[in-house]
Amino acid sequence: GAVVSQHPSWVICKSGTSVKIECRSLDFQATTMFWYRQFPKQSLMLMATSNEGSKATYEQGVEKDKFLINHASLTLSTLTVTSAHPEDSSFYICSARGSAGSDEQFFGPGTRLTVL
Amino acid sequence: LAKTTQPISMDSYEGQEVNITCSHNNIATNDYITWYQQFPSQGPRFIIQGYKTKVTNEVASLFIPADRKSSTLSLPRVSLSDTAVYYCLVAPSGGYNKLIFGAGTRLAVHP
Repeated sequence: GAVVSQHPSWVICKSGTSVKIECRSLDFQATTMFWYRQFPKQSLMLMATSNEGSKATYEQGVEKDKFLINHASLTLSTLTVTSAHPEDSSFYICSARGSAGSDEQFFGPGTRLTVL
Repeated sequence: LAKTTQPISMDSYEGQEVNITCSHNNIATNDYITWYQQFPSQGPRFIIQGYKTKVTNEVASLFIPADRKSSTLSLPRVSLSDTAVYYCLVAPSGGYNKLIFGAGTRLAVHP
């Protein structure tokens, strides 16, 4: 089946620094990718939809200047958490849909971000 | 997007059949019902998807009544490794439709 990877799997950073998380579709081209955030014991919250070659679409309440999304190729989307603060500590998960007609969304393994 | 309602938690024992019901009263005509499983610190994993009646694969069955306002995920003979959170989602099939996750059902399987 289709595989989505994320890098890094975990990261610890100091408050005020920026962190980049990569999401790759390993064996298929993903024209659309999604970014989610999940706090402990809570459900996944959709942050934004990332479309290859165009600007991301952010969900209401998600700061686009804080969570920068770039989808420069059909296999890679990146999420950069800028000026991270402890409240940004969370589990970030990406997912990808294949090209037109694909029904299933494939999820990455997630990235644990801890901001000190 | 149609909202879903599931029990917050369920308990079961190894070898038993587990049925998790999801309500989606406002499901649209072009919506499909999809179930995902999530283990701690992992991304969700697709289990099964259906539109109506019954769908079965190697890990689960999905029962959908004629009015499609609810659905039931059936896990036969659960094991300890089935302890996870199960999410029911409703969304149009195909295209690039975003998925909105509800609270999910936390299933605990006991020895």
